[in-house]
Amino acid sequence: SAVISQKPSRDICQRGTSLTIQCQVDSQVTMMFWYRQQPGQSLTLIATANQGSEATYESGFVIDKFPISRPNLTFSTLTVSNMSPEDSSIYLCSVEEGPYEQYFGPGTRLTVT
Amino acid sequence: AQTVTQSQPEMSVQEAETVTLSCTYDTSESDYYLFWYKQPPSRQMILVIRQEAYKQQNATENRFSVNFQKAAKSFSLKISDSQLGDAAMYFCAYRSYAGNTPLVFGKGTRLSVIA
Repeated sequence: SAVISQKPSRDICQRGTSLTIQCQVDSQVTMMFWYRQQPGQSLTLIATANQGSEATYESGFVIDKFPISRPNLTFSTLTVSNMSPEDSSIYLCSVEEGPYEQYFGPGTRLTVT
Repeated sequence: AQTVTQSQPEMSVQEAETVTLSCTYDTSESDYYLFWYKQPPSRQMILVIRQEAYKQQNATENRFSVNFQKAAKSFSLKISDSQLGDAAMYFCAYRSYAGNTPLVFGKGTRLSVIA
């Protein structure tokens, strides 16, 4: 399976600031997915990132708050902008590897104070 | 839209015993995939087992097996010979048959293993 790394693994940020999370994959993949996992909750899809095009956001998530970049087939970033304590969550990226299985990065634990 | 329901927020099992985690889903699609993921305290999501809806045979991976009932839209996970390392959150997930589509997760079941 693909090896996926995320940076940072955790961070503590002040409200009003922004954090960019990086996701690196050791192979080329068409689609990358960004999920949020709020404390004690399940995973919720934020957006789908396809290389060379704008990310597709789920209901309740907007580009101004969660801008995503996908500059190539092995890398993506998710920025959490103008953070508030409600943004405290684990953020995970995932990729699909043939033919239909999805594998996840180790996650980024974000705490907003 | 598809939904996944896990009705057991918490379960416990004695070491070496067998436990079954329940999952039901709702979909109008005829072809799809179902998964069980394990999330230990390290928070890494680990794929445990997968099932293609077009296969009647239940998937098995070592001590993990599923009971897939397509008509009932049920997809339970059985863990045999439970080990302390099995303690984790378990998430049931659905994926449409179309390629590169995201997963829809249930709320999860926290499994405790008692020594």
